[in-house]
Amino acid sequence: GAVVSQHPSWVICKSGTSVKIECRSLDFQATTMFWYRQFPKQSLMLMATSNEGSKATYEQGVEKDKFLINHASLTLSTLTVTSAHPEDSSFYICSARLTGVPYNSPLHFGNGTRLTVT
Amino acid sequence: KNEVEQSPQNLTAQEGEFITINCSYSVGISALHWLQQHPGGGIVSLFMLSSGKKKHGRLIATINIQEKHSSLHITASHPRDSAVYICAVKAYGGATNKLIFGTGTLLAVQP
Repeated sequence: GAVVSQHPSWVICKSGTSVKIECRSLDFQATTMFWYRQFPKQSLMLMATSNEGSKATYEQGVEKDKFLINHASLTLSTLTVTSAHPEDSSFYICSARLTGVPYNSPLHFGNGTRLTVT
Repeated sequence: KNEVEQSPQNLTAQEGEFITINCSYSVGISALHWLQQHPGGGIVSLFMLSSGKKKHGRLIATINIQEKHSSLHITASHPRDSAVYICAVKAYGGATNKLIFGTGTLLAVQP
């Protein structure tokens, strides 16, 4: 089955530093990848949609200059949290859709990254 | 009020019991997903359905479009089924990629 690998699975960083999270589709090509954030005991919230070779589409309220998304190839999207602050501490998870399938096809999720900013 | 509501929020069951988790939504949808989130955070897609019923092993998902309601059933529950189960809908006519998520149901199956 389709596998999405997310790295790192957890990271602790100091306030003011930047953190990069990678999302890779291991055995399929993904034109579109999605980045979600989940605070404790809350729903997943879509942050942005990452499209290979073009700019990401950000959801309302998500700062594009703070959460930099790069989707340079059909198998890799990265999310960089710049100048991280403690309030950015959260669980970040990506998902990917196989290239060429309908929009209502199943999604494949990574295992998530738990970010703690001290 | 959330556009996607799940009940119950927490559920404790004994091994072997039949389990039902409910999802109600208030928007027109083109598809509904049931997801399983493991304690470590990873998410697995269980079902995607737009009508009727689907079955996979001990899991059954049903949807009633007219009533805007879906249920996830687990037969012969097992401790390894313990996880958070999340309902998510793709709103009809909404942004192409956006899913609306419920807050999840935390299931604990005791041996």
